[in-house]
Amino acid sequence: LAKTTQPISMDSYEGQEVNITCSHNNIATNDYITWYQQFPSQGPRFIIQGYKTKVTNEVASLFIPADRKSSTLSLPRVSLSDTAVYYCLVGTLYNQGGKLIFGQGTELSVKP
Amino acid sequence: DGGITQSPKYLFRKEGQNVTLSCEQNLNHDAMYWYRQDPGQGLRLIYYSQIVNDFQKGDIAEGYSVSREKKESFPLTVTSAQKNPTAFYLCASSPTPGLAGVEQYFGPGTRLTVT
Repeated sequence: LAKTTQPISMDSYEGQEVNITCSHNNIATNDYITWYQQFPSQGPRFIIQGYKTKVTNEVASLFIPADRKSSTLSLPRVSLSDTAVYYCLVGTLYNQGGKLIFGQGTELSVKP
Repeated sequence: DGGITQSPKYLFRKEGQNVTLSCEQNLNHDAMYWYRQDPGQGLRLIYYSQIVNDFQKGDIAEGYSVSREKKESFPLTVTSAQKNPTAFYLCASSPTPGLAGVEQYFGPGTRLTVT
């Protein structure tokens, strides 16, 4: 069962690149890695998803090493509006089972 | 305007009462999920449904019940057997319930307070 571990909090300044790492030592072969962003009293919003190597979209990059025991979410040039909690999710659901494990979240604070 | 709606946003109940939280989606998604979030913690999966008339227990299903009679709707009942029902409840849906990793779309949440 893949347990995920993330730093509780991180601080950054506007315009910097932020890297948040999630550890998932027991990731299973079929598990995907997904990152979500959550603002207070709102539902999480999908950022990016990957299985291995590197994935990039218009808002972030996701780096996954060959052993897949960790993953790093990279946010380029953060702004104040990126202040939020970021969750790493590991797992997949099959037709009759599977697991989805959310990390406890990393609270990112972006300062001017 | 497609999306997931949860109602109400805030809900107050007395201890010992059952309460049902609503979740509706018009995204034509097959799969729907219920999560619970406590202060400062991640989301924990309560129940999920990959198809109409079928649902599976998540990690913390005790004290909760669900039904999936329609594709668009997945109501969650918090029963009196749930020992710590006060929490933020989030509903989500996804288009692909199968083997691939799931990209979930979340509703705005319902904050339930039981006193």
